[in-house]
Amino acid sequence: SQQGEEDPQALSIQEGENATMNCSYKTSINNLQWYRQNSGRGLVHLILIRSNEREKHSGRLRVTLDTSKKSSSLLITASRAADTASYFCATDNRDTGNQFYFGTGTSLTVIP
Amino acid sequence: EAQVTQNPRYLITVTGKKLTVTCSQNMNHEYMSWYRQDPGLGLRQIYYSMNVEVTDKGDVPEGYKVSRKEKRNFPLILESPSPNQTSLYFCATSLWGTGELFFGEGSRLTVL
Repeated sequence: SQQGEEDPQALSIQEGENATMNCSYKTSINNLQWYRQNSGRGLVHLILIRSNEREKHSGRLRVTLDTSKKSSSLLITASRAADTASYFCATDNRDTGNQFYFGTGTSLTVIP
Repeated sequence: EAQVTQNPRYLITVTGKKLTVTCSQNMNHEYMSWYRQDPGLGLRQIYYSMNVEVTDKGDVPEGYKVSRKEKRNFPLILESPSPNQTSLYFCATSLWGTGELFFGEGSRLTVL
């Protein structure tokens, strides 16, 4: 499988704390993306980072990418109860192009 | 409003009874794809399409068919459903092959 993996599988934090989740993948990529999914709903795009970028910010989100280690991290700062969701990383494959590969997700619970 | 619309949202059927899950988008996106989501396995790509009349297999195409006769529609066909196709299905579109994906709300299928 070319699927990525998120770590940890589940994370529980208090409101106001920071949440960090990691993603590892297996192939050379063009882009890596992070998505959020509220229970059983469709995924929502959060941020895209290109393979030549090392860090990207969007609001309370910070994403890093280390292509030498084939890994990425998503940091959510000052978490809120509304951030409770599952988070997935998705990669393409530089060699095959147009397929997307999703990890198995991190389930984040933010306790008010 | 940009939308990816899937129908039906919920379906219970029996083994062998052909069914079609429709997907329609109003964003004029070139790329459309189907995923299934199963507990512990994340999202796995079934088929994708880069343009009208162009379709390609994803990671788990067995038991499924697709067609892309119009740019806006990308139906998923289960010719002879089996219980192992019980899953949550998502249609997703993108302006281009490796960009941000826009997801439908999902179709929960149960095959008895």
